[in-house]
Amino acid sequence: DAKTTQPPSMDCAEGRAANLPCNHSTISGNEYVYWYRQIHSQGPQYIIHGLKNNETNEMASLIITEDRKSSTLILPHATLRDTAVYYCIAPNQGGKLIFGQGTELSVKP
Amino acid sequence: GAGVSQSPSNKVTEKGKDVELRCDPISGHTALYWYRQRLGQGLEFLIYFQGNSAPDKSGLPSDRFSAERTGESVSTLTIQRTQQEDSAVYLCASSLAGAMGGYTFGSGTRLTVV
Repeated sequence: DAKTTQPPSMDCAEGRAANLPCNHSTISGNEYVYWYRQIHSQGPQYIIHGLKNNETNEMASLIITEDRKSSTLILPHATLRDTAVYYCIAPNQGGKLIFGQGTELSVKP
Repeated sequence: GAGVSQSPSNKVTEKGKDVELRCDPISGHTALYWYRQRLGQGLEFLIYFQGNSAPDKSGLPSDRFSAERTGESVSTLTIQRTQQEDSAVYLCASSLAGAMGGYTFGSGTRLTVV
């Protein structure tokens, strides 16, 4: 898997946008970037993925730089329920996801 | 079923005993994955099954760990001669083949070795 680097923790005020960065400078041309999150005491949950273009769904937006060496997950209006560990993963052809340590996002009132 | 089901939800066992953890994947999901999560840590990949292919066992930490899957249905993770460091939440996920954006995780089995 391409190595990904994320800050260990971040805070965000409720109602504000949460911008979670991820560096993946060794990503290859055909590797997607996947984001999952894990709310306390639950299994991880898929959020979004992308290859080159920016992506948006009902949960979040994903901005990928033109050189694909980094990306940012955006939660446009964070709520307390968005408090979780967010994982950025760039899998290779091994067919499985390898989770790193992720970013622990704390949304504060 | 509608989701991935794992049993038991909690298991306390004595050091040295064997344990079996069960995972029922979503019907039609050909891929099944086991992960381990120690307290306060990230997920460690253990093993991956895809259809009738040989499983990817590259994450199993020792020969005390093994897993089986019957066709494209139930999987069992077995830990022999449990040690205290095996205490963790064991998570199972399933997906359609190649659908890395489509992992559905179970609620996990919390294993405590005393």
